[in-house]
Amino acid sequence: DAKTTQPTSMDCAEGRAANLPCNHSTISGNEYVYWYRQIHSQGPQYIIHGLKNNETNEMASLIITEDRKSSTLILPHATLRDTAVYYCIVRVGKGRRALTFGSGTRLQVQP
Amino acid sequence: ETGVTQSPTHLIKTRGQQVTLRCSSQSGHNTVSWYQQALGQGPQFIFQYYREEENGRGNFPPRFSGLQFPNYSSELNVNALELDDSALYLCASSLDRGDEKLFFGSGTQLSVL
Repeated sequence: DAKTTQPTSMDCAEGRAANLPCNHSTISGNEYVYWYRQIHSQGPQYIIHGLKNNETNEMASLIITEDRKSSTLILPHATLRDTAVYYCIVRVGKGRRALTFGSGTRLQVQP
Repeated sequence: ETGVTQSPTHLIKTRGQQVTLRCSSQSGHNTVSWYQQALGQGPQFIFQYYREEENGRGNFPPRFSGLQFPNYSSELNVNALELDDSALYLCASSLDRGDEKLFFGSGTQLSVL
């Protein structure tokens, strides 16, 4: 699975959009980008995933660059409950491989 | 709430002992994966069970073993505990093997003294 690089930490003001970047320059054509988050004292929570098109669901939007070497997770209106560690993961879709979590980005939403 | 429940929530053991952790998967899910999360790090894959068979294993020694039962619940067993086994152990269920979405429980915090 391709390796990902994320900033260690980020701050965001409550009510503003949080934009979390992820670099995956060695991504292969059949690898998807997944985002999970882990709120303190809980297990990771699935947010969204995509292959090459931008994706949106009730939680977030995923923007993937045309060359697919990087992506951005957007939380449109961050709340204090969005404070968490956000993991960007690259993996073959529907594959049998496990998710490989890195260290993620610690997002602190400030009041 | 994901519907995945783990027990116990906390556990203290001493070095050399054995431990069994339990996981009840979400209704309708036939695949269970176990992850180990050391303090300050991301979860690391231990193994996955699909329909009662091991379906993939991470870089963990054989003293980490598991079981999946006909109702798809699962156990993680660790023998000869070492201090470095102290971690949060997470169970995740999915509809099928290789499914994109994993549903995680809140984990069991194991401390080895």
